Amino acid sequence: KQEVTQIPAALSVPEGENLVLNCSFTDSAIYNLQWFRQDPGKGLTSLLLIQSSQREQTSGRLNASLDKSSGRSTLYIAASQPGDSATYLCAVSNGNTPLVFGKGTRLSVIA
Amino acid sequence: GAVVSQHPSWVICKSGTSVKIECRSLDFQATTMFWYRQFPKQSLMLMATSNEGSKATYEQGVEKDKFLINHASLTLSTLTVTSAHPEDSSFYICSARDRILPIYEQFFGPGTRLTVL
Repeated sequence: KQEVTQIPAALSVPEGENLVLNCSFTDSAIYNLQWFRQDPGKGLTSLLLIQSSQREQTSGRLNASLDKSSGRSTLYIAASQPGDSATYLCAVSNGNTPLVFGKGTRLSVIA
Repeated sequence: GAVVSQHPSWVICKSGTSVKIECRSLDFQATTMFWYRQFPKQSLMLMATSNEGSKATYEQGVEKDKFLINHASLTLSTLTVTSAHPEDSSFYICSARDRILPIYEQFFGPGTRLTVL
């Protein structure tokens, strides 16, 4: 059974710092990996999707990498801003199976 | 594109009543829809997978007679919480997969917050 772990569980950084969020998964036979953002009491916002054949995806200040063989992904946020404060969720799918989520990393960016 | 809506966005009900939550894919056809539940400060837990025109597949520990799922069309799935109790209070999020796109991306609705008094 696929399990997804996210480290750290919580992170607090001053504005302007670059930061890395980590995600690991137990079954490397994934089809794709997605990173989401969730604001308190709200739904999910999809940030990046990486297919298993890809090594990274970029969107603005966000860069996600995937090392499928080692079961790891990282989300890099450059020049963090207070508006980046949210919970970041990593999720993987083995293809036809539904996404399995990690518990998330709660990020606070302090002005 | 790829918009999923949920209705209602929030609902408060009395213990013992039933509540229906609708999930619609607005601009694509979804052969498969998923229902997740999220308790405060926890991650999303899959409740069930529904395929259009067939019975839903429930995850272990989810009572199928309590959480009724109907996926009657390629754009609509409903979750009915029957005889709701306070412990059913949670954030329910649906997700849909585009039947055309080959990359199995899931699109998520905005969620429905259920409070049972």
